[in-house]
Amino acid sequence: AQSVTQLDSHVSVSEGTPVLLRCNYSSSYSPSLFWYVQHPNKGLQLLLKYTSAATLVKGINGFEAEFKKSETSFHLTKPSAHMSDAAEYFCVVSDWGGGYNKLIFGAGTRLAVHP
Amino acid sequence: DGGITQSPKYLFRKEGQNVTLSCEQNLNHDAMYWYRQDPGQGLRLIYYSQIVNDFQKGDIAEGYSVSREKKESFPLTVTSAQKNPTAFYLCASSSRTGGTDTQYFGPGTRLTVL
Repeated sequence: AQSVTQLDSHVSVSEGTPVLLRCNYSSSYSPSLFWYVQHPNKGLQLLLKYTSAATLVKGINGFEAEFKKSETSFHLTKPSAHMSDAAEYFCVVSDWGGGYNKLIFGAGTRLAVHP
Repeated sequence: DGGITQSPKYLFRKEGQNVTLSCEQNLNHDAMYWYRQDPGQGLRLIYYSQIVNDFQKGDIAEGYSVSREKKESFPLTVTSAQKNPTAFYLCASSSRTGGTDTQYFGPGTRLTVL
């Protein structure tokens, strides 16, 4: 079965410094992986997704993630944090169980950005 | 504008009542989903539907019911059998149910049991 582990429940950075949100996955085959962002009391917005094309995936708002099969990782990065990046971030793996697109969510990482 | 709408944004329920959460999409998507989100946790799947007039239980379906009479609509009823219904409920849709298909989410409904 697929699973996702987000290694940090909280990350705090200063504005203008790099962001790293870590995600490891477990999959018995080549997975599809996603990062979603959720601002308080809002729905989830897709940042980026990996679907076995390029291993470095660029997303919206300057975020990118690199798929590393050997490390079973899909870490999310951004070179320079902005105050508006403060939110909760979910790493998600797609599971084909039951013949439909079942998403397995990590527990989330809350990103705080300080002035 | 294309998208997913959920209503109401906030809902209060007395114990023993059934309540229905609305989800509508105008993306022409075949598949629709309901998730529950509790504080400090990721989302858990309640029900999903791949096509009109068909739906399947997810991981935590007990105490919930759904219908899919129209492609655009996938309402969720939280019944009195759901013992701990206070949570944030999110509806999503995707064009199909393939592994690479992106799920798009609505803004959510926060349900509180009084």
